Amino acid sequence: SAVISQKPSRDICQRGTSLTIQCQVDSQVTMMFWYRQQPGQSLTLIATANQGSEATYESGFVIDKFPISRPNLTFSTLTVSNMSPEDSSIYLCSVEAGGAESEQYFGPGTRLTVT
Amino acid sequence: GENVEQHPSTLSVQEGDSAVIKCTYSDSASNYFPWYKQELGKRPQLIIDIRSNVGEKKDQRIAVTLNKTAKHFSLHITETQPEDSAVYFCAASNGASKIIFGSGTRLSIRP
Repeated sequence: SAVISQKPSRDICQRGTSLTIQCQVDSQVTMMFWYRQQPGQSLTLIATANQGSEATYESGFVIDKFPISRPNLTFSTLTVSNMSPEDSSIYLCSVEAGGAESEQYFGPGTRLTVT
Repeated sequence: GENVEQHPSTLSVQEGDSAVIKCTYSDSASNYFPWYKQELGKRPQLIIDIRSNVGEKKDQRIAVTLNKTAKHFSLHITETQPEDSAVYFCAASNGASKIIFGSGTRLSIRP
């Protein structure tokens, strides 16, 4: 498995502002992902963070709203831009690790509340 | 794209009884099916997974079955205990790393 940390663990933000969430892994991984989990809901994939190139976004998510950086194989950031109350959610990063039969592991999440 | 449906949305079982959660998927190219357990306020934890080259996998009290023809897979928990209470998510992947999650099942164990 992999040890994954996220910062901040939670935040309360004003609408119209932006928040950058950091994800750090204890080993080099090829694949990193960002998910959103709205209260009481399942996990929705926002994008795949690609090292050295632009992130790959899922339908309904755009780079202007959720810019992602992946400067190396152990770190990624997700920014939630121009926030509205609808962005209140838990944001989780995940990584794929384990070699040939790889598995996906999640970070502890960032609980975001937008007022 | 892949679509994963999960049933039931809530499940209550007596402690010691078995629990079964069922999922279906739409993409015949999917070949990896993980199950995650999420306790309140915590991250999803991988509890078991199955790949399309096997039909069943067991790990102590939990087992997963896969029927590729019918595009069904299921989680079975035997001898349930209070600590099994959580939300369980099934998921499917076509090997391109992207995992699509089901809607979740809230499992409650009655003492």
